[in-house]
Amino acid sequence: DVQMTQSPSSLSASVGDRVTITCRASQGISDYLAWFQQKPGKAPKSLIYGASTLQSGVPSKFSGRGSGTDFALTISSLQPEDFATYYCQQYSVYPITFGGGTKVEIK
Amino acid sequence: EVQLVESGGGLVQPGGSRRLSCAASGFTFSDYYMDWVRQAPGKGLEWVGRIRNKANDETPEYAASVGGRFTISRDDLRDLLYLQMDNLITEDTAVYYCGRVQSGTCDTWGQGTLVTVSS
Repeated sequence: DVQMTQSPSSLSASVGDRVTITCRASQGISDYLAWFQQKPGKAPKSLIYGASTLQSGVPSKFSGRGSGTDFALTISSLQPEDFATYYCQQYSVYPITFGGGTKVEIK
Repeated sequence: EVQLVESGGGLVQPGGSRRLSCAASGFTFSDYYMDWVRQAPGKGLEWVGRIRNKANDETPEYAASVGGRFTISRDDLRDLLYLQMDNLITEDTAVYYCGRVQSGTCDTWGQGTLVTVSS
C-alpha cells in the first residue's frame, strides 16, 4: 500500500497567516493527489484534485503543488473559516489511502 | 443540486450485519463511480471501497481491512448505493460516508451515518 505522510500533524496559526501543509507518498503517484478539508462533526469537503486543480467553488486562496512523491497545500491568507483538519489522499493505486491529517488551529 | 444522503446506521452487535444506503440526486448516478469512506471516532479518514459504473461492469475494489466482509453494490434504477457489512467487529465502529467519484477522487460527499459495533 502507498503510505501518505502529512506534516505537521497540527499547527497553530493566526488569521492572515500563510500556511503550508506537506504530504509525502511512499512511492511515486504522479499527480493523483487530492486534498480535503474537514470541520468537526462535518463531512469532508473536497478542495483539490490532480495535485493542483481546485474543485468547483473552492476559493483561490487554496493552492496545491507537487508531483511524484512530494506535495503541498498552501492557504494564502488564513481566515476563521479555514480552521479545520486537512487530509491528503492518493488515488493512483488501490487501495486508495489518506494521510493522517493536519489540524490547523487558531493561535 | 448534487446530493448524497446516507442511511442505515445504528447499533450492531459484534458478528452482526448491517446494510447502509446512499441516496443520490441531482446528477446521473449511473455514470459515476462511487466510494465509501469511514472515520472511526477521533480518527482520520479511511477509504473502504469503490464501485465502478455499469460501463465498467460495476466492479468493486475494497480496502484489505474490509475485504471479504463488506460488499458494495448499486441500483442505478433507484439511484442508490449500498454497503453490506457482515461479520462486524468493534473496529468497524465509524461514521460512514459515501462519495461521488469525479476525476478519480470524491468531489461530493454525503453527511455520513454512524455505525456502532458493540455488545
